[in-house]
Amino acid sequence: KNEVEQSPQNLTAQEGEFITINCSYSVGISALHWLQQHPGGGIVSLFMLSSGKKKHGRLIATINIQEKHSSLHITASHPRDSAVYICAVRPIQGAQKLVFGQGTRLTINP
Amino acid sequence: DTAVSQTPKYLVTQMGNDKSIKCEQNLGHDTMYWYKQDSKKFLKIMFSYNNKELIINETVPNRFSPKSPDKAHLNLHINSLELGDSAVYFCASSRTINQPQHFGDGTRLSIL
Repeated sequence: KNEVEQSPQNLTAQEGEFITINCSYSVGISALHWLQQHPGGGIVSLFMLSSGKKKHGRLIATINIQEKHSSLHITASHPRDSAVYICAVRPIQGAQKLVFGQGTRLTINP
Repeated sequence: DTAVSQTPKYLVTQMGNDKSIKCEQNLGHDTMYWYKQDSKKFLKIMFSYNNKELIINETVPNRFSPKSPDKAHLNLHINSLELGDSAVYFCASSRTINQPQHFGDGTRLSIL
């Protein structure tokens, strides 16, 4: 079992819907990252967080350290949000490398 | 003004050949990385350099050799390419090891 599990693996929704992608991990961490991989392949870092909540535009990321869980929310989703969203954690042990989830493929239909 | 640029974007070559992928960042970052993304889209760290020093060296065949001539460059040389090396290779950089990473566009390597 991977140290980082994301759900769902695939998500299809209509434009305008509120989207939630979940990430659970099994190790103690110093930080969690959310990344976006576009259909063309490029990867963009969305958030890095170690506690609480961060917001950037229509994107919100939350983390609960005690429950070892993070969520990425997208409000008023748009077809351009279609991408693979990847959760990655930096374990406290061996703290120098990120461990990645398998990604969630999001498709927003117009 | 690309932040992290890697070349080439596509690389198609025969088994047994030796090839290099180059990576350059103009962000002034201290730390650079090479990742491999396999056909199932999992990203895995291969190497990381901090100020030209190797700090992460995962279980990667020694046919793969990173070279960092200066802290703005981290190149990846692969000897005796094998079919299983087919993947997308991403270079990334960050200000320090604990900061958000900026990724290149990836190099799609296909071995015939």
